[in-house]
Amino acid sequence: DTEVTQTPKHLVMGMTNKKSLKCEQHMGHRAMYWYKQKAKKPPELMFVYSYEKLSINESVPSRFSPECPNSSLLNLHLHALQPEDSALYLCASRPGILGPGELFFGEGSRLTVL
Amino acid sequence: SQQGEEDPQALSIQEGENATMNCSYKTSINNLQWYRQNSGRGLVHLILIRSNEREKHSGRLRVTLDTSKKSSSLLITASRAADTASYFCATDFTSGTYKYIFGTGTRLKVLA
Repeated sequence: DTEVTQTPKHLVMGMTNKKSLKCEQHMGHRAMYWYKQKAKKPPELMFVYSYEKLSINESVPSRFSPECPNSSLLNLHLHALQPEDSALYLCASRPGILGPGELFFGEGSRLTVL
Repeated sequence: SQQGEEDPQALSIQEGENATMNCSYKTSINNLQWYRQNSGRGLVHLILIRSNEREKHSGRLRVTLDTSKKSSSLLITASRAADTASYFCATDFTSGTYKYIFGTGTRLKVLA
């Protein structure tokens, strides 16, 4: 299994809603990433987890709350979002912690905030 | 903040022609990677070049790295309509964090 699976593929939510995005990989990767991508822009790094611990938070607003319950699963909890948070949210994983390695991306969750 | 600036922003070529896109970055890097993204989809890794390498090949792809100029180029030879996509460089510039930052991207359109 060489896939990173993201659910849901599409999500529409109001500004007062609470929702979550889910990312799963069964490749034994120990680093997992959340990126946010606006249309015609590059992916912007949000969070990095290494061995289920948050290692990088790129000054992301607290209305985005990441969680890594185990080595295969990464969640992004969403609360009180703004319309400008509408974007494609991409999850990625990498094989190892030591040394360079490629990122394996999921297909993304497209979020629309009304 | 973005580490890499790519040019051109957009490129339109005929099938069979070569496509070259460039990436410039600001600080020293450990390695540089190139990714491809079809419209609205996830990114796919193409090739990784380490800071002590100057050139790498993979099929129709050729990547060069010039650390003195802080720049890299991606050449796609004999392009096909299926190569139509956005291409991004990603730099790992902080030792030990594996914090990959993506460049601005080049949108390539290959006309059949």
